[in-house]
Amino acid sequence: DAGVTQSPTHLIKTRGQQVTLRCSPKSGHDTVSWYQQALGQGPQFIFQYYEEEERQRGNFPDRFSGHQFPNYSSELNVNALLLGDSALYLCASSSLRGHIILYGYTFGSGTRLTVV
Amino acid sequence: EDKVVQSPLSLVVHEGDTVTLNCSYEVTNFRSLLWYKQEKKAPTFLFMLTSSGIEKKSGRLSSILDKKELFSILNITATQTGDSAIYLCAENRYGGATNKLIFGTGTLLAVQP
Repeated sequence: DAGVTQSPTHLIKTRGQQVTLRCSPKSGHDTVSWYQQALGQGPQFIFQYYEEEERQRGNFPDRFSGHQFPNYSSELNVNALLLGDSALYLCASSSLRGHIILYGYTFGSGTRLTVV
Repeated sequence: EDKVVQSPLSLVVHEGDTVTLNCSYEVTNFRSLLWYKQEKKAPTFLFMLTSSGIEKKSGRLSSILDKKELFSILNITATQTGDSAIYLCAENRYGGATNKLIFGTGTLLAVQP
């Protein structure tokens, strides 16, 4: 039973560039959430996808966008990268029934993004 | 403003010691309180607490929630070097159509041999 898979594991980009991060949820999960974890901080909620729609969004600019595919996998896109976007980006999958998240959230190992 | 506060921010103990980690949260749209252990990258799930006063245990780890005072504690007894990690507390909050996790900054625990 595969857990949450994220790719790539590490990435170095230049300011102003665009980046796409990918996430495959745990088998049986249909909901994907993205979090940004800066060094020394707890993860910050970016947004959540369910049924291929963005269901909720945190306090992140429109440069951050996402997508969910019919197989429940998801992408996070960041445009016009800033130095401050350097962080560990975590994907968490879960199973949503009504408004209830079943069985908690399972996290992937993350993508370490460095913007230079 | 989302706010989950953890204390202490960091802690250094010796093997065999008992530690207590604290987490306070806000009541708005509260669903549950979760604890995670983060060693390198992926936070790994420890506990999910929904009811006040009911202790959850897993080996040397235990946790309890106080919904009246809006806090939770995580206890680790007979600590081992493998317990060294960042311990994250997160409020599972309902908002709009779904839920999201609001994390604290974490407590960095270092267990020395």
